[in-house]
Amino acid sequence: EVQLVESGGGWVQPGGSLRLSCAASEFTFSAYWMVWVRQPPGKGLEWVASIKKDGSEKYYVDSVKGRFTISRDNAKNFVYLQMNSLRDDETAVYHCVGGGFWGQGALVTVSS
Amino acid sequence: QAVVTQEPSLTVSPGGTVTLTCGSSTGAVTSGHWPHWFQQKPGQAPSTLIYDTSNKYSWTPARFSGSLLGGKAALTLSGAQPDDDAEYYCLLVYSGVGVFGGGTKLTVL
Repeated sequence: EVQLVESGGGWVQPGGSLRLSCAASEFTFSAYWMVWVRQPPGKGLEWVASIKKDGSEKYYVDSVKGRFTISRDNAKNFVYLQMNSLRDDETAVYHCVGGGFWGQGALVTVSS
Repeated sequence: QAVVTQEPSLTVSPGGTVTLTCGSSTGAVTSGHWPHWFQQKPGQAPSTLIYDTSNKYSWTPARFSGSLLGGKAALTLSGAQPDDDAEYYCLLVYSGVGVFGGGTKLTVL
């Protein structure tokens, strides 16, 4: 059974940093683009960032450019999202997505 | 950044057919926007139904189909079931960057 499991969420003050990890199992990880999607409580989905199969291309939504960095380790089947200078309005559940599969998400709470 | 538009809500009768649409503020939606469709039920992570306009995954019920219709991406549900009562989101890709629509709350009633 394919599993995508996020970790690294938690509470952080505005301006702080967090690093999310997503572990993929039973999944041909290196064959797929990987994406991070977030969902604020009670709101819709927002696409955050994506990374090509070999890591050679990365894309970001405008609001996180220069603050967030997506990366992957195909040897370990992990994708990461380094989030710096976090803002109050970025409180959300962050999901990793790939090959059509979704993780259950990691809650990130940005609050003073 | 482009804006992707969906109907806020739709209602379909059990056994009926309904089409959800996904439009783009930049003009006609094409296959080059790689349209995706997702279903989300309360308290659950989304599930991908359709990718690249019309392709299904092994878990996608046969009653769902994707297409391009009148300059928009479309998701058609034929033979609605109570279990299809959910929120549906489309995603379009613009030069590598994805943009979700605001979602359509589909009620099966």
